[in-house]
Amino acid sequence: NAGVTQTPKFRVLKTGQSMTLLCAQDMNHEYMYWYRQDPGMGLRLIHYSVGEGTTAKGEVPDGYNVSRLKKQNFLLGLESAAPSQTSVYFCASSYNRAGTGELFFGEGSRLTVL
Amino acid sequence: GENVEQHPSTLSVQEGDSAVIKCTYSDSASNYFPWYKQELGKGPQLIIDIRSNVGEKKDQRIAVTLNKTAKHFSLHITETQPEDSAVYFCAAPEGDTGRRALTFGSGTRLQVQP
Repeated sequence: NAGVTQTPKFRVLKTGQSMTLLCAQDMNHEYMYWYRQDPGMGLRLIHYSVGEGTTAKGEVPDGYNVSRLKKQNFLLGLESAAPSQTSVYFCASSYNRAGTGELFFGEGSRLTVL
Repeated sequence: GENVEQHPSTLSVQEGDSAVIKCTYSDSASNYFPWYKQELGKGPQLIIDIRSNVGEKKDQRIAVTLNKTAKHFSLHITETQPEDSAVYFCAAPEGDTGRRALTFGSGTRLQVQP
């Protein structure tokens, strides 16, 4: 039982390049989330999904797109990377909505944009 | 949306001492308050949570207290051990997402000195 798996774990991009982060969960959870973590700012919600085929914006959605074509996968895309998107990205999933129950996190993806 | 403030940002204690981390929240309708622990290089993991129908919850050396009138909740760790060294985050349901996601505090780096 792998839980929540994020790929890649590390990536360096040049400004303007695009990339996709993949999150996969094997717990049959309905809810999935993408957060970014920056020093002194905690975890900020980028986008989330309440089920297959659905997505919604969080606190800091600008510059990111997401897709949830399959229940077990939640993809985070950067169409044109900017240095301000240098961060550690965490994917999480939950059985019930996170406002009522446990979030399970992946181990993070460290992205550097030069 | 929900605003969660967390103090202190860093905390250093001697092994065996107690540690207390405090959070305040803004949305009086919030009713679920989890605490997450993040070890170096890992994703956050739930360690304890409390719902608004109780004032205190304990699990071995950790406890959480909630004061709904004052809108604050605290994490208490007794008899601290070196393995308690980590970053701790408090959280509360984000009203802007229909409480489907969490808003996190900025984190507290706890260092337990042997």
